[in-house]
Parts: sequence; C-alpha cells; structure tokens
Amino acid sequence: GENVEQHPSTLSVQEGDSAVIKCTYSDSASNYFPWYKQELGKRPQLIIDIRSNVGEKKDQRIAVTLNKTAKHFSLHITETQPEDSAVYFCAAVYGGATNKLIFGTGTLLAVQP
Amino acid sequence: NAGVTQTPKFQVLKTGQSMTLQCAQDMNHEYMSWYRQDPGMGLRLIHYSVGAGITDQGEVPNGYNVSRSTTEDFPLRLLSAAPSQTSVYFCASSPSVAGGTDTQYFGPGTRLTVL
Repeated sequence: GENVEQHPSTLSVQEGDSAVIKCTYSDSASNYFPWYKQELGKRPQLIIDIRSNVGEKKDQRIAVTLNKTAKHFSLHITETQPEDSAVYFCAAVYGGATNKLIFGTGTLLAVQP
Repeated sequence: NAGVTQTPKFQVLKTGQSMTLQCAQDMNHEYMSWYRQDPGMGLRLIHYSVGAGITDQGEVPNGYNVSRSTTEDFPLRLLSAAPSQTSVYFCASSPSVAGGTDTQYFGPGTRLTVL
C-alpha cells in the first residue's frame, strides 16, 4: 500500500556539521517528493521539493537527491545552524495520481551549538 | 491575505460528542486537505478536495466527514468523537487542482482532546 519510510527518527549534530535524512517510498509511479520543516509549535512549511525528472536539487545549504531505481530520496543540510533544529518530514504523491500526498513519520533534528 | 485559518485553536470534547473544525483560505486555492498529526506517526491525510462539491478519502477517513460547498471553506466534522481522535489537526490548501504535486500551505492547527 501507500507508504513512506523515514530515517532516522532523531538526529543530533554539532553546529557546522552536515545532516542527512533518508526516505523510501513504495509506489514506482510517484513523481513528486517534497520536504517540510516544522518548528516547535508551528505549522509545517515547504523547504524544498524534487520531481522525478530530476536527480538532485539545491537551495543554498539544503539539497535533495532522488534515486528512482532504488525508490529513495534524501535531504542534505550542510553547515547546520541552531535555527535548523526542527522536525523534518518527507512526502511522496501516490498512485500516479496528483492528489494524495503521503508523509513520512518525521525526523527530529537537534543542532547543538 | 490571511492565508489558511483554522478555528478553534484548542478544543476538549467528551466521548460521543460531535463538533466541526473550521478551515478557510483566502488564496482562491482549488485543492484543500485535512491532516492529523500524532507523535511518531507524522502527518496522515484524512480527506481532501479538488474543488467545490468534490471530496475524496485519504489514508485515515474513518470517523470524519467533510464537505466543500465553497472554494474558501473546508470543514471537518467529527460525528461521534472517540479518544483515538485526540490529535492535532492541520488544514492545508494548494494552488493547483493537482494539489498533491504543489506546495501545501498549512493552517496553524487545532489541538483536539477527547476525554
């Protein structure tokens, strides 16, 4: 069925280090993979997304990579800062349809100063 | 623009009570959706709508009803609340009819407790 697995569930890094969060999906027809950031007590907000015709996308310190053959995608944050501390969610749109966005279970990232 | 608004912010219900969570957006978005967020479970899709008069089920629709009579509003109804429905509920909207493949703009959330 529809499933997005996300690892790790928690991640602690030192300020300035890199952080990597990985997700796998089960539907080979999925073609859109966004990442959302949710700060404590706030609403989720889109930080970056990638479509299936692209292997990598960068936006300043964040990047997302997609491996369609292996059905996994990853979020990379370089030069982490304390303000990067939040819960990060990956997601995939399912069934070749365009209306069901399924989220992973989230990764709590803590950046230690 | 106010964006996506939700009311109430907090609600406590007793088992068996009914209530409606309100969601409105002023961005003229066609696609709207409801998610619930539980610890360790991420965001799970309850129902979604691609336009006025059109709704469909998500991952966890049981116990919830929706309707979409206008583009702006997408209320979520709990007919007989159960403790398992204790959660934080987020409404979201997206500019594209193919909303799953576009940016989701989330509301501030409603924290619901069912005793």
